[in-house]
Amino acid sequence: NAGVTQTPKFQVLKTGQSMTLQCAQDMNHNSMYWYRQDPGMGLRLIYYSASEGTTDKGEVPNGYNVSRLNKREFSLRLESAAPSQTSVYFCASVEGPNYGYTFGSGTRLTVV
Amino acid sequence: QKEVEQNSGPLSVPEGAIASLNCTYSDRGSQSFFWYRQYSGKSPELIMFIYSNGDKEDGRFTAQLNKASQYVSLLIRDSQPSDSATYLCAVLDNAGNMLTFGGGTRLMVKP
Repeated sequence: NAGVTQTPKFQVLKTGQSMTLQCAQDMNHNSMYWYRQDPGMGLRLIYYSASEGTTDKGEVPNGYNVSRLNKREFSLRLESAAPSQTSVYFCASVEGPNYGYTFGSGTRLTVV
Repeated sequence: QKEVEQNSGPLSVPEGAIASLNCTYSDRGSQSFFWYRQYSGKSPELIMFIYSNGDKEDGRFTAQLNKASQYVSLLIRDSQPSDSATYLCAVLDNAGNMLTFGGGTRLMVKP
């Protein structure tokens, strides 16, 4: 039972480069989320997808785009990376309200 | 902006003591509240959730909710060094779509 799988685990980008963070879950969950975590700031929601075919902005969406490719997969794209996007990115999924989120192992991204 | 506030700590307790972690939230309409534990360099993992006023117990953990005061707490009884981690409080919005997290409290349990 893999749960939520994120790739890559580590990435270094130069300013202005683009990349896509991949996330897949095998629990048949409807809702999926992308968070970023910075020191002392907890987890902040970037985008979420309440169900297949829908996506919505979270607290900090600027500089990011997402795609809910199918029920299993939810990707996060940085079109032109900036040093302010250096962070740890977590993908999560959930069965429904009042269930706990299951998190992936995270992607540690450094933009230089 | 919906806010969830936690004391960043560190909160230091001796082994075997009760650790008390607190959280306040700004959205009075919030219905569900979650506690996560996060070890350094790892992803958050769910400890428990609560949505009714009062106490909810699960093993050594007790979550307490007071909606009138907009206050959630987590008690850890018989604290162990393995409980040393950052504890994140999270609040679910009214629509049930998004969790908003506090900044976390770092707990240190000393042998």
